[in-house]
Amino acid sequence: GAVVSQHPSRVICKSGTSVKIECRSLDFQATTMFWYRQFPKQSLMLMATSNEGSKATYEQGVEKDKFLINHASLTLSTLTVTSAHPEDSSFYICSARANRGGNEQFFGPGTRLTVL
Amino acid sequence: QKEVEQNSGPLSVPEGAIASLNCTYSDRGSQSFFWYRQYSGKSPELIMFIYSNGDKEDGRFTAQLNKASQYVSLLIRDSQPSDSATYLCAVSPFSGGYNKLIFGAGTRLAVHP
Repeated sequence: GAVVSQHPSRVICKSGTSVKIECRSLDFQATTMFWYRQFPKQSLMLMATSNEGSKATYEQGVEKDKFLINHASLTLSTLTVTSAHPEDSSFYICSARANRGGNEQFFGPGTRLTVL
Repeated sequence: QKEVEQNSGPLSVPEGAIASLNCTYSDRGSQSFFWYRQYSGKSPELIMFIYSNGDKEDGRFTAQLNKASQYVSLLIRDSQPSDSATYLCAVSPFSGGYNKLIFGAGTRLAVHP
């Protein structure tokens, strides 16, 4: 149980294009999902909290117009990196908190984004 | 002061030994505590969570929580080379909202044969 998937696992795009990453909870419902970014040899950085049916809550310093989050259902959240630039290249990881459970978060496998 | 602090390591232990990983946190009202394992290039994997003071055991892993000292630890018994990874401590702060977790920077564990 508690499986979270992400798609795509790896994406390479040109500078200026937009990239959409999907995060799905496969065997549980998740009102709340989280998006993290991790640069090489650094710790996880929480970007935003995604709430089903409402606007995402962004952490300080994260541009909400650049990182668009949509949480359309209890099992799906998407992150769109708009007008991507090389400095956006990173490992993006989503997690989900089960509606029935404690505060533990279950992570997806991550998406490695490379912007050329 | 960082909210969740861990020694970055690397912590090097021989195979079969006990690895002891430590974490301190600043928010005294924190409610729940988690240990995640992250292999290089992979996403974090939940190992254990603990909510109450004391010890919680699961197989070779034991989590220890001392809220008075604001300290949580993870013991790995009979360490194996496959345990070599970065271990992330995460804390759910009292005032976090939306149940977000605050992660430490992680401790890199190296188990050598």
